[in-house]
Amino acid sequence: EVQLVESGGGLVQPGGSLRLSCAASGFTFSSYEMNWVRQAPGKGLEWVSYISSSGSTIYYADSVKGRFTISRDNAKNSLYLQMNSLRAEDTAVYYCARGVAANAFDIWGQGTMVTVSS
Amino acid sequence: DIQMTQSPSTLSASVGDRVTITCRASQSISSWLAWYQQKPGKAPKLLIYKASSLESGVPSRFSGSGSGTEFTLTISSLQPDDFATYYCQQYNSYPRGFTFGPGTKVDIK
Repeated sequence: EVQLVESGGGLVQPGGSLRLSCAASGFTFSSYEMNWVRQAPGKGLEWVSYISSSGSTIYYADSVKGRFTISRDNAKNSLYLQMNSLRAEDTAVYYCARGVAANAFDIWGQGTMVTVSS
Repeated sequence: DIQMTQSPSTLSASVGDRVTITCRASQSISSWLAWYQQKPGKAPKLLIYKASSLESGVPSRFSGSGSGTEFTLTISSLQPDDFATYYCQQYNSYPRGFTFGPGTKVDIK
């Protein structure tokens, strides 16, 4: 079964850090572009970051540029999001999503909740 | 950055109705548009990619059309399982990002 499973969410104070992980299974992870997407409580979807299949190309939304770092380990079939200098407005469910056909998001994880609060 | 708008923001409909949702881009995105369905507490589900290509396993009552800056998602005969929020998304606009529209909630009339 093709599957993405996120982990690493939790409660963190403003200014703190958190590292999210996304474990992939059921497909050749190293062949696919990957993304992080977030959704604040009661709000819409916001694309956060993109990484190419090899990891050589990376993009970020302006809202997280300079604070978040996306990475992947193809040997471990895993995607990561290092989040530093967290703000209250970063509070959201974070999803990892597989990119296909020029990066439409065809497979999504179940999401992991990140709450930034003192 | 490319901005996406959707209309309406909320749509009340009955089972069996034909439903159309419109998505507009602030500049041409060719056919690089996807549609997603999301139910409360669940991850989004890809319905349509490249404006009009039906994702595998998605019922044929869903269809997409458009190119350039104006796109539509049509549900030919609304089913009980279709009450959800629908998002459009522009993609393949490296490095400008992959912007989602604000969403259209389809609820029961």
